[in-house]
Amino acid sequence: EDKVVQSPLSLVVHEGDTVTLNCSYEVTNFRSLLWYKQEKKAPTFLFMLTSSGIEKKSGRLSSILDKKELFSILNITATQTGDSAVYLCAVAPGDGGSQGNLIFGKGTKLSVKP
Amino acid sequence: DVKVTQSSRYLVKRTGEKVFLECVQDMDHENMFWYRQDPGLGLRLIYFSYDVKMKEKGDIPEGYSVSREKKERFSLILESASTNQTSMYLCASSLGRQTEAFFGQGTRLTVV
Repeated sequence: EDKVVQSPLSLVVHEGDTVTLNCSYEVTNFRSLLWYKQEKKAPTFLFMLTSSGIEKKSGRLSSILDKKELFSILNITATQTGDSAVYLCAVAPGDGGSQGNLIFGKGTKLSVKP
Repeated sequence: DVKVTQSSRYLVKRTGEKVFLECVQDMDHENMFWYRQDPGLGLRLIYFSYDVKMKEKGDIPEGYSVSREKKERFSLILESASTNQTSMYLCASSLGRQTEAFFGQGTRLTVV
């Protein structure tokens, strides 16, 4: 059965700290891994990763994929209170029955204290 | 910008009612999805559609049906609402197999 596991489930840090969120997966015919940020409503897209070892970066956020060890990390440096959110990891399997559906982890709830 | 719009932010319905949740996207995306999100369970796929009039069951289709008569619109139907269908419902769309999904703002449904 395909699954995506995120850790930790929740995390509390102070502004300025650096955090690392983890995502491991077991899926058939992996195509891509995606990270989303969810505040009070709709998840918003952060990164899509398809190749191992290539870091994707956007401001203070960065992410990398290891397809051999089947995991990804999302790093946030110099955290701010606006980074408080649930971070979702999702994997797109590549089996013949799928047409772009994603398998989500349960998310990591990040709280950044001032 | 891609816009995915869900018809209602909040809904309260009675047990046994037939409930329609509507989702519209404006970017000519092929794929559309309905998820529900529950504390401790994450997002779970109910149904998805990769073309007009085409649909596929996700992980938890029981108690739900869908309709996609036009490319831009994907409806989720609760045939007879039950209290265990109280949840946040999220619609999403994507262009193809290698692109990210864009989400609507969610509908928080309460069945009483």
